[in-house]
Amino acid sequence: SQQGEEDPQALSIQEGENATMNCSYKTSINNLQWYRQNSGRGLVHLILIRSNEREKHSGRLRVTLDTSKKSSSLLITASRAADTASYFCATAYGRNSGNTPLVFGKGTRLSVIA
Amino acid sequence: DVKVTQSSRYLVKRTGEKVFLECVQDMDHENMFWYRQDPGLGLRLIYFSYDVKMKEKGDIPEGYSVSREKKERFSLILESASTNQTSMYLCASSAVRSSYEQYFGPGTRLTVT
Repeated sequence: SQQGEEDPQALSIQEGENATMNCSYKTSINNLQWYRQNSGRGLVHLILIRSNEREKHSGRLRVTLDTSKKSSSLLITASRAADTASYFCATAYGRNSGNTPLVFGKGTRLSVIA
Repeated sequence: DVKVTQSSRYLVKRTGEKVFLECVQDMDHENMFWYRQDPGLGLRLIYFSYDVKMKEKGDIPEGYSVSREKKERFSLILESASTNQTSMYLCASSAVRSSYEQYFGPGTRLTVT
């Protein structure tokens, strides 16, 4: 399986703290993406980082990518109770074209306690 | 905004029934995908389609088939539902030009009894 792996599987923090989630993958990638899923709902795209980028920001989100280690991290700063959700990393494998499927990891379950 | 809709949020079917899950997207996306999501296993790709009438198997196609007769609609078919197909089913779409970013529907929670 070329599935990515998130770490940790579950994370519980206090409101206002930072949350860091990690993702490792196995093959060369075109880009890596992070998605969020609220309980029982579909996934929502958060941020995309290309293989030639090392860091990217979007609001309270910061994503880093280390292609030499085949790993990425997602940092959520100043967390809020509304950030409680599961977070998934996803990578594209196979043909380097726009219709290549993504491979999703198993996710990190984040709980932010008010 | 991109909108991906799925025909049902919750569905209960009996073993052996034929089940149709419908997915419609309104952004003229070329690619459409069906996943199932189970606790501890994450999202697993069942089938995907990158054009009308085209389909490709994902990681777990056994027991499923798909149909894409129109660009906006992608159907997942369980020919003879079994209890091990009880799961959350997620549909997604993406445009070829958008670097693989996928848009997801709300999901269908299927229970087979």
